[in-house]
Amino acid sequence: GQQVMQIPQYQHVQEGEDFTTYCNSSTTLSNIQWYKQRPGGHPVFLIQLVKSGEVKKQKRLTFQFGEAKKNSSLHITATQTTDVGTYFCAGTKRTSYDKVIFGPGTSLSVIP
Amino acid sequence: EAQVTQNPRYLITVTGKKLTVTCSQNMNHEYMSWYRQDPGLGLRQIYYSMNVEVTDKGDVPEGYKVSRKEKRNFPLILESPSPNQTSLYFCASSRFTIEPETQYFGPGTRLLVL
Repeated sequence: GQQVMQIPQYQHVQEGEDFTTYCNSSTTLSNIQWYKQRPGGHPVFLIQLVKSGEVKKQKRLTFQFGEAKKNSSLHITATQTTDVGTYFCAGTKRTSYDKVIFGPGTSLSVIP
Repeated sequence: EAQVTQNPRYLITVTGKKLTVTCSQNMNHEYMSWYRQDPGLGLRQIYYSMNVEVTDKGDVPEGYKVSRKEKRNFPLILESPSPNQTSLYFCASSRFTIEPETQYFGPGTRLLVL
């Protein structure tokens, strides 16, 4: 079954509201990556987190990696219509470092 | 320009007719991978390759074959396609040191098996 879960599956927000998606793994991850896929497009890399408890920021986006390296979050402040898309987390397990596991994604809609 | 290319972009075929989807990257990446994307399931890894002549199964390898004879190419072969292989397929490549790094995705191949 799915080893990496994401919630929520869908999120509709008013432009200007904040948005958060959560990624949870059943096993400890070596690292976590976040990707964004625009409608009709392909996944595009956003960021990689490696260290336990790591926090990284990219303008309005804040990424966190949990202390136990089993969960992660992506927070977008003051959403814009350009943020529309599906956000995926992906990780490699410490016990199987060559396989990449993607979460099912969170689809974000922004209402102008 | 650094890129991953896939061909064809769209394909309609019939059950049992062998097909190949090509994937090529120009970044000299060691790691290449095939994913299928289905609604609600995200991206699931089919096969991956850590270098030339080194391939391994991902989470959903049944019904697929791959080969890695050259570093830049990683074709996906469906020997006898079935309707449950109707999906959106992505090829991706990345550097590989101790594990896959940033993955660069191709534009996708939309496959319909009748």
